[in-house]
Amino acid sequence: NAGVTQTPKFQVLKTGQSMTLQCAQDMNHEYMSWYRQDPGMGLRLIHYSVGAGITDQGEVPNGYNVSRSTTEDFPLRLLSAAPSQTSVYFCASTGPARVQYFGAGTRLSVL
Amino acid sequence: GNSVTQMEGPVTLSEEAFLTINCTYTATGYPSLFWYVQYPGEGLQLLLKATKADDKGSNKGFEATYRKETTSFHLEKGSVQVSDSAVYFCALGSGGSNYKLTFGKGTLLTVNP
Repeated sequence: NAGVTQTPKFQVLKTGQSMTLQCAQDMNHEYMSWYRQDPGMGLRLIHYSVGAGITDQGEVPNGYNVSRSTTEDFPLRLLSAAPSQTSVYFCASTGPARVQYFGAGTRLSVL
Repeated sequence: GNSVTQMEGPVTLSEEAFLTINCTYTATGYPSLFWYVQYPGEGLQLLLKATKADDKGSNKGFEATYRKETTSFHLEKGSVQVSDSAVYFCALGSGGSNYKLTFGKGTLLTVNP
């Protein structure tokens, strides 16, 4: 199984550009999340979804949108990128016993 | 609200040294507790977990015991290896679903030969 797949692995944007970070899982998990990781801050929850068609905000949702049209896919959209969104982004899905499975991450730089 | 506090790093040890990384938490109810590890350039992966008080999670020589009386879940390993060099995150899942995790800030461990 591929697990959780994130694309792209690296991205450089200019301020004001938009883009979508892709996340797909093949484990049929209902619950999926997006985190950002910044030095000294640990992981902070951006948005999460408890199933297809249902999403909710996490700790730091501003500037990001999500949708969940299928169980497998949970894309994260940056509407108008800002330098403060320079970070490493992780997608995760939650399986039995509440264990979260993480993708390899997307390293985003906003200039 | 929920919170996790883990010891500040970085931690630098010699191979075969004893490791302790402290983790304490604040939560309502009866959370599940986790340790995740992140190797350089990779995503996080589960190292071990415990779901109720006095449970001991263990994996790859690492251990942690869920201590409700001290609200702690300290990570230990008797003899570290160079390959253990990574960032370690303590996390808790609480609430009715336990789906949301609250993470500590991470502790960077470097093991020298």
